[in-house]
Amino acid sequence: QVQLVESGGGVVQPGKSLRLSCAASGFSFSSYAVHWVRQAPGKGLEWVALTSFDGSNKYYADSVKGRFTISRDSSRNTLFLQLNSLKPDDTAVYFCARMNEDSTFDHWGQGTRVTVSS
Amino acid sequence: NFMLAQPHSVSGSPGKTVTISCTRSSGSIARSYVQWYQQRPGSAPTTVIYENDQRPSGVPDRFSGSIDSSSNSASLTISGLSTEDEADYYCQSADTTMTFVFGGGTKVTVL
Repeated sequence: QVQLVESGGGVVQPGKSLRLSCAASGFSFSSYAVHWVRQAPGKGLEWVALTSFDGSNKYYADSVKGRFTISRDSSRNTLFLQLNSLKPDDTAVYFCARMNEDSTFDHWGQGTRVTVSS
Repeated sequence: NFMLAQPHSVSGSPGKTVTISCTRSSGSIARSYVQWYQQRPGSAPTTVIYENDQRPSGVPDRFSGSIDSSSNSASLTISGLSTEDEADYYCQSADTTMTFVFGGGTKVTVL
């Protein structure tokens, strides 16, 4: 079955960096676009970034553009999100999600929590 | 970019019907498909409607979706309300610039 498992979250000081990972299994990872979506405590879902199936195209929300970088390693079936210059507003649970051919987020991981605090 | 506006909360008694609206701020609601996701506390979202009105396998037919160009909005209707339907619901669509937008979420309470 399709599985997405995030890791790499933690507590980090403002201005520091963190790298999140999302290990994919149960499907042909290199055939699907994948996203990062975050959810601040008690708040709604916010789309963060997208990478195309082959990693050649990447798109970002304005709130993270220039600070976050999405990448993928299809040899390891893993999606990454590099978070730089972190701000307290980046505190959230970060989900990876697969996008299917209907442009629907059809499978989600359980999320990894990032807390930005001094 | 556009925004998707949802009511903060809706409620209904068991067996009744509730409808959640999702209004697009600019551009036609028909420009891109609308999806609806259910999120229970502490869990990841799951899809209940995709492509405006399509139901994934396993989702009860009590869930239905539609769009209305006159109000520039999408709607999720839950009929035969059950306690298991208590959750947050999010609409989602995409911009032509390949950015993705979620509504603010609606909390459904079964009275």
